[in-house]
This record gives sequence, structure tokens and C-alpha cells, in this order.
Amino acid sequence: DGGITQSPKYLFRKEGQNVTLSCEQNLNHDAMYWYRQDPGQGLRLIYYSQIVNDFQKGDIAEGYSVSREKKESFPLTVTSAQKNPTAFYLCASSITGRDQPQHFGDGTRLSIL
Amino acid sequence: GNSVTQMEGPVTLSEEAFLTINCTYTATGYPSLFWYVQYPGEGLQLLLKATKADDKGSNKGFEATYRKETTSFHLEKGSVQVSDSAVYFCALSDVNNAGNMLTFGGGTRLMVKP
Repeated sequence: DGGITQSPKYLFRKEGQNVTLSCEQNLNHDAMYWYRQDPGQGLRLIYYSQIVNDFQKGDIAEGYSVSREKKESFPLTVTSAQKNPTAFYLCASSITGRDQPQHFGDGTRLSIL
Repeated sequence: GNSVTQMEGPVTLSEEAFLTINCTYTATGYPSLFWYVQYPGEGLQLLLKATKADDKGSNKGFEATYRKETTSFHLEKGSVQVSDSAVYFCALSDVNNAGNMLTFGGGTRLMVKP
């Protein structure tokens, strides 16, 4: 079954700690995306990547970093510079092309200890 | 720039009522339009899409028609069920994008009571 897998489902961060959220897809999609969702809010784009070894900042990239070393994987690191990291993080992927929808994982909920 | 505006929720309906969730957009080109649904604690699932003016997207009893003249893509369902309770997001993808960057509306929470 093809899809997007995010792990872990729940994650806790201590003060001053970096944490990494995993996102893996087996859909053979070129493009991948990370979004942040706060309670009762819409989605805000953190980073996106349209091809391996290339990625671009979205609207709220400060305090986050990504890598795209493999087509299947797009991990997101929430650094200690992100002062308000508590949120629901969603990863998505798509085929390139404006008619193509994005496919989403089930999300990771990050909280502060 | 592009933007999507949805009606604010929550929308509360009784089972079997008619549903309309309004969505209007502003875009520089000729976007594709999407509706996504998010159930509690889950990611977004594509509900339906339309790629050009006058197209109607439909799925699971939900429908939306791409209206270029009114820049709208309102979501409708003739008879809602309790299981339709979720948050619904309208989104657009601009034709000028090399990739598919989506612009999302703020989401509308639907609550259906038995």
C-alpha cells in the first residue's frame, strides 16, 4: 500500500533540545512539504522540496531545518531556536504539476516538557 | 498574491440537513481548486478537486463547482451524516507554479448532531 508515514505520532521536547520528525513516502513523488498546524488554525508552510538535494523555505522556516538526501525521505528538525514549537506537524508529497493534489501523512504532535 | 477565504465555523447541523461551506479565492492565474477533509488527530485527505472553470468535483456525496465569474468553490452535500463531522479546508494551486504549492483557507469545522 502506497502512502506517507510520519513518526513518531507524539513527541516531547525539552528546553534547548533539537528534535527530528520523520517523513517517508513510497509514492515515488518528487515534491515533499512540511506544514505546521496550530489549534483551530489552517496550515502554514515550513519548507518544501521539489527534487532531491534541493529545498526551499516556506512562510515560517525560522527555527526549523530540513534535508532531502533521498527521494523517499524529508526529515524536519525543530531546533532550540524555535521558541514556540508546540503544534501538529504535517508532511505531504505530490507529483509535480498544478492539477496534482498533495497527499498527507497522519501528522506528529510535538509538545514541550 | 493568492488567498483563500472560507466561512468561519463551527457549522452545526442535524443529521440529514443540507450543507454548504463557502469558499472564495483570489489568484493571479487560473488555479486548480481542492477540498480537503481532516478528521480529529489525523492528516488531511483529498475530498474532491476541479481544474478548470465550470468543472464539478464530487466524491462521497460532496460536490463543488468551480465558478470563475464569482471566484468561488463552495462545498455542498445534500444530507450530512454524523460521520461527516470534521474540519474542511479549501485550497488552490496556481497555474504559474512550477511545482504544486497550495494556498489553504483557514478551515471550517463541521459538527453534525444525531
